[in-house]
Amino acid sequence: GENVEQHPSTLSVQEGDSAVIKCTYSDSASNYFPWYKQELGKGPQLIIDIRSNVGEKKDQRIAVTLNKTAKHFSLHITETQPEDSAVYFCAASLTDSWGKLQFGAGTQVVVTP
Amino acid sequence: EPEVTQTPSHQVTQMGQEVILRCVPISNHLYFYWYRQILGQKVEFLVSFYNNEISEKSEIFDDQFSVERPDGSNFTLKIRSTKLEDSAMYFCASSDYRGGPGEQYFGPGTRLTVT
Repeated sequence: GENVEQHPSTLSVQEGDSAVIKCTYSDSASNYFPWYKQELGKGPQLIIDIRSNVGEKKDQRIAVTLNKTAKHFSLHITETQPEDSAVYFCAASLTDSWGKLQFGAGTQVVVTP
Repeated sequence: EPEVTQTPSHQVTQMGQEVILRCVPISNHLYFYWYRQILGQKVEFLVSFYNNEISEKSEIFDDQFSVERPDGSNFTLKIRSTKLEDSAMYFCASSDYRGGPGEQYFGPGTRLTVT
């Protein structure tokens, strides 16, 4: 089955700097890659996703890149703000598999003022 | 903005007891899911549900687990005889149809504590 690895496990950045989180996946058939943000005591919130027919997608300060050949994808957060502090999860899915998401282990991002 | 809701937010139960976790998915969504997250570990897929039947389930989802959509709005997860290792955060999610499952939106979770 699919296995998703995520690095780093913790990331501390100064406000205004960029943060990058990387994930690798094992199943070359996976074709949908969402990113979720989880704040303390809340459920995962979808922040951006990418499908395998594109290499990059951007939404304001957040971008995701996908390298299908290398089987890795990354989340980029620019101009970080204290409210970006949270746990971020990557996930991978095969859309033919009824949407089952395989999650990475998560990255605790701390943005210091 | 529509959201997935879950009740209760925290459930404490004794080992061997039955529990039912409840979810109200987003109203026009057609795919429903349960995931769980043991403290400090990954979010794990349990089961997906479409057209009133289970479409996929993980190895975790054994005979002790069942799901039901008892009416047009609720989606429930039942654990028949809870074990200590069932203690976790349980998340419900739903997605609409985009020629297949679309983006999944998660509820706030139910923290299940088995003593």
